[in-house]
Parts: sequence; structure tokens; C-alpha cells
Amino acid sequence: NAGVMQNPRHLVRRRGQEARLRCSPMKGHSHVYWYRQLPEEGLKFMVYLQKENIIDESGMPKERFSAEFPKEGPSILRIQQVVRGDSAAYFCASSPGGGNSPLHFGNGTRLTVT
Amino acid sequence: EDQVTQSPEALRLQEGESSSLNCSYTVSGLRGLFWYRQDPGKGPEFLFTLYSAGEEKEKERLKATLTKKESFLHITAPKPEDSATYLCAALRGYQKVTFGTGTKLQVIP
Repeated sequence: NAGVMQNPRHLVRRRGQEARLRCSPMKGHSHVYWYRQLPEEGLKFMVYLQKENIIDESGMPKERFSAEFPKEGPSILRIQQVVRGDSAAYFCASSPGGGNSPLHFGNGTRLTVT
Repeated sequence: EDQVTQSPEALRLQEGESSSLNCSYTVSGLRGLFWYRQDPGKGPEFLFTLYSAGEEKEKERLKATLTKKESFLHITAPKPEDSATYLCAALRGYQKVTFGTGTKLQVIP
């Protein structure tokens, strides 16, 4: 059973470029979450999606950031016009949804903005 | 606002020296309390879910307990391979999960 798959593992972008982070949830999971982690800080919630729907984006910056989870294919976190402050580890998690099921995480994408 | 606070921030133990990690939470309508282990460069790995006060879960040298205000992760006779950052997280509502900042555990041989 494949776990949550994220790619790329490492991504380097220059200031002003776009970053696209991909996440394929565990088989049978239809709920996807994105978190950001800065060094020595905790995981900060960004956005919660179900297939074709954004359920909660309260943790996502209003500008430059967007997320989608299409009917087919992986979930995408998109950061436009990246700045140095966007450098962080971005983790995706999935769950089957409903009830009290825990989140299962991928190994993250480490974004470095130069 | 939901808050999850973990202590200590860092803990250094000799191999075999048992101890406990604390997670206190302020979450209205808690539906579950999760514990995770995170190794450097990796994503959090799920360990336990606790649903109600008084509940306990065990896995090898780890035992998690839950009260109405806090959770403890007890580590019995730790080994160097237990070195990691341990995260707790509180679940509220439709799956709103709030994480603490973690306890970085180092076990010295």
C-alpha cells in the first residue's frame, strides 16, 4: 500500500518564479491537507480539500498561494511569484475523511527560494 | 483559538532512562488527540489516537495517556533509535487538526 506521495522532494526557485508542489494521497483517501513547517517551528495548517472542493483555506495566505484537488490526478499547491520567506518544508497529508481518523503524511517538499 | 503546547522543547536521556513528554491543549469539542513521531527530513509518522479521558495506548516502549486537559507520552527504557521529534495534535470538528511544536528527544547510548 503506497503511502502519501509528494514530489518533488526538493525544489529550488528564484524569486519571482512559480512553485508547483504535488501530492498523491493514500489509496482510498479523498481528503487532502497541506501544512507548512519552518525550522524549529510546528506544522502550520494551510488548506483542507476534498475532491474538486476547497473545504477550509483559512491558513493559506490570500495572495500568491492556491490549491486544488481535481477529480483526476494529484493535489497541487501552487505558489506564484515566490519570495525568500516562502522557503520551508511543505507537507501533504491525507485521510479517508469523516469520523476521527488520523492524518497520514508524505515526506514533504523542501522549497528553497534563492 | 485552539492551542496545543508541548513540553519540554528538548529532552536528552541516557539509554534506559524513562521519562514523559507533555502535551496540554485548549480545544473546545476535542474529538481526538494524535501523537506522531518525526525524523529529520521526513514527514510525521502516526503513532496513536486517543479519543477520551482515561484512555491509554501502547506500542513497544511508548505509552500515551489522555486527561481532559493534557496528554502524556511515556517512554520506558528508551533506546537511541527512539531519538526523534514527537508531535501531538488535537482534532476538532470536521477534521481541524492543530499541532504542537514538538519535543525533540535525544537518547544517548
